[in-house]
Amino acid sequence: ILNVEQSPQSLHVQEGDSTNFTCSFPSSNFYALHWYRWETAKSPEALFVMTLNGDEKKKGRISATLNTKEGYSYLYIKGSQPEDSATYLCAFTYGGSQGNLIFGKGTKLSVKP
Amino acid sequence: DVKVTQSSRYLVKRTGEKVFLECVQDMDHENMFWYRQDPGLGLRLIYFSYDVKMKEKGDIPEGYSVSREKKERFSLILESASTNQTSMYLCASSWVGTGVGSPLHFGNGTRLTVT
Repeated sequence: ILNVEQSPQSLHVQEGDSTNFTCSFPSSNFYALHWYRWETAKSPEALFVMTLNGDEKKKGRISATLNTKEGYSYLYIKGSQPEDSATYLCAFTYGGSQGNLIFGKGTKLSVKP
Repeated sequence: DVKVTQSSRYLVKRTGEKVFLECVQDMDHENMFWYRQDPGLGLRLIYFSYDVKMKEKGDIPEGYSVSREKKERFSLILESASTNQTSMYLCASSWVGTGVGSPLHFGNGTRLTVT
């Protein structure tokens, strides 16, 4: 059974702290790795989709890296703000079809002012 | 911006009822998805559609069916609702153009309670 693991499960940081989370996935038959941010009462919003080993993507204070050979991706948030509070989901695509997208359980981030 | 609209935010149904959850997207996306979210579990795929009238079963299709008669609309049907189908249901769509590199665009979700 293919599995996507995210750690930590939850994280509490102070405003201004930098933080990072991990997503681990099977390294075989890799096609893409997605990161989403899901704020309470809103819909999940795509942050990044990465397909190549060594990919690095950045959007404002948030960045992500990808290592497909060892099966992990890191999401970094620099200088966390209260509005960054959300659940961060990663998802792994295998087998070349978006029907084969497996989500992790998410990392819930709370940023205290 | 892509908009994915789910017809109801909250729904309460009785055991045994036939339930329809509707989803409409406005960006001409080929792919549409239905997921359910339960506490302590990741999003789990119920059904996936890659074109009109085309569908694939996801990880947990039992007790559900789907309909895609028009490209913009993807309906999830609970043939006979049961209490274990109480959950948050999320619809999503994506563009085929960049293949598996296309991000999913999600609706706001429907929280279904079956009593």
